[in-house]
Amino acid sequence: RKEVEQDPGPFNVPEGATVAFNCTYSNSASQSFFWYRQDCRKEPKLLMSVYSSGNEDGRFTAQLNRASQYISLLIRDSKLSDSATYLCVVTLYGGATNKLIFGTGTLLAVQP
Amino acid sequence: DADVTQTPRNRITKTGKRIMLECSQTKGHDRMYWYRQDPGLGLRLIYYSFDVKDINKGEISDGYSVSRQAQAKFSLSLESAIPNQTALYFCATSDVLAGYNEQFFGPGTRLTVL
Repeated sequence: RKEVEQDPGPFNVPEGATVAFNCTYSNSASQSFFWYRQDCRKEPKLLMSVYSSGNEDGRFTAQLNRASQYISLLIRDSKLSDSATYLCVVTLYGGATNKLIFGTGTLLAVQP
Repeated sequence: DADVTQTPRNRITKTGKRIMLECSQTKGHDRMYWYRQDPGLGLRLIYYSFDVKDINKGEISDGYSVSRQAQAKFSLSLESAIPNQTALYFCATSDVLAGYNEQFFGPGTRLTVL
């Protein structure tokens, strides 16, 4: 079983739509959670951290369910510029080691 | 100017050749990382370094070596390249004082081994 699993998509949605991505992680000791965005042939960039209480940044809302080991990202009022791959990322802490574990990503294509 | 730079950006080489990928950063971060990205496999950690005297293997270090020449420089070497090392390679940095482990990535090096 992969440590972080995502539906690869693609999710094809019209502009203005609301879209949600899900992610599950296998290690219950995971301590920090993030969504990164990666544009085609570009480097990943942090989109937002995910907190237990849920958090919102403009049109983006992230949720964490530790009991189900599940993370979600909701995008409202999709824009063409939201088209990208969204990577779910968890961190495991062990001694001095803080390593990011990346999911394979979910591809979003927003259509005009 | 970019905070994390990688050279070269693209490289085509032949099986058995020695290749070095270089990474430089101006962010002043102590921690640096090398990843490779393959379709369907996501980003996988090759090596990481928490300071100049600290080098650690990641999950897929076989066939690779690294050198941390200075706080700002971290190079990745393929001693004898093989075709399954064809991938997109990313360098990244992070700041131990950030409170969370956000990593800042370079633009990537696309390596093809024939």
